[in-house]
Amino acid sequence: SQTIHQWPATLVQPVGSPLSLECTVEGTSNPNLYWYRQAAGRGLQLLFYSVGIGQISSEVPQNLSASRPQDRQFILSSKKLLLSDSGFYLCAWSPLSRISGTEAFFGQGTRLTVV
Amino acid sequence: AQKVTQAQTEISVVEKEDVTLDCVYETRDTTYYLFWYKQPPSGELVFLIRRNSFDEQNEISGRYSWNFQKSTSSFNFTITASQVVDSAVYFCALSEGSNSGYALNFGKGTSLLVTP
Repeated sequence: SQTIHQWPATLVQPVGSPLSLECTVEGTSNPNLYWYRQAAGRGLQLLFYSVGIGQISSEVPQNLSASRPQDRQFILSSKKLLLSDSGFYLCAWSPLSRISGTEAFFGQGTRLTVV
Repeated sequence: AQKVTQAQTEISVVEKEDVTLDCVYETRDTTYYLFWYKQPPSGELVFLIRRNSFDEQNEISGRYSWNFQKSTSSFNFTITASQVVDSAVYFCALSEGSNSGYALNFGKGTSLLVTP
């Protein structure tokens, strides 16, 4: 069966510090991968998506970047965190890249607080 | 522009009441998919249902039912005889195909509180 791992679960970082959140998927190959952010208003905002290794698309201009160094690994990074980067970050995957209509499966999320 | 609108921000009901969560979507595609997710206090998003644009049949799963109406671009979710464990934030989402890597475009969610 497929599983998604996301860590850490919680993180408190000072303004200006770097960030690295990691997400890995097991039990499948060539998945679509996504990073979402959920701010205080509860809505889920798509940040990045990837349909293959090294292929990253950004949905919203921001202080963050993403990388996919391996097929089932997705990393969210920042060189210098801002207070506005605080939020709940969710990694997700959907099976069979380049096929629409499949549901996405989400990790447990990382609650990031920038102080 | 918001593609998925969940106009109800918060709903509070007493246990055993029925409750309907509204979802209105906007798309120009003829092929698209609609979803509902539940987010309990733990934060993890739990998939509930997927419906494609060619299937307007309503679906029932236990106490849950979904009403998909293309004429009104709505995909409403009803919980019958609500229970305290139903308390959560519920999200409606739309997938339109290759745009954004088939990502789901979520509404802002409806927070449901079921009290004993």
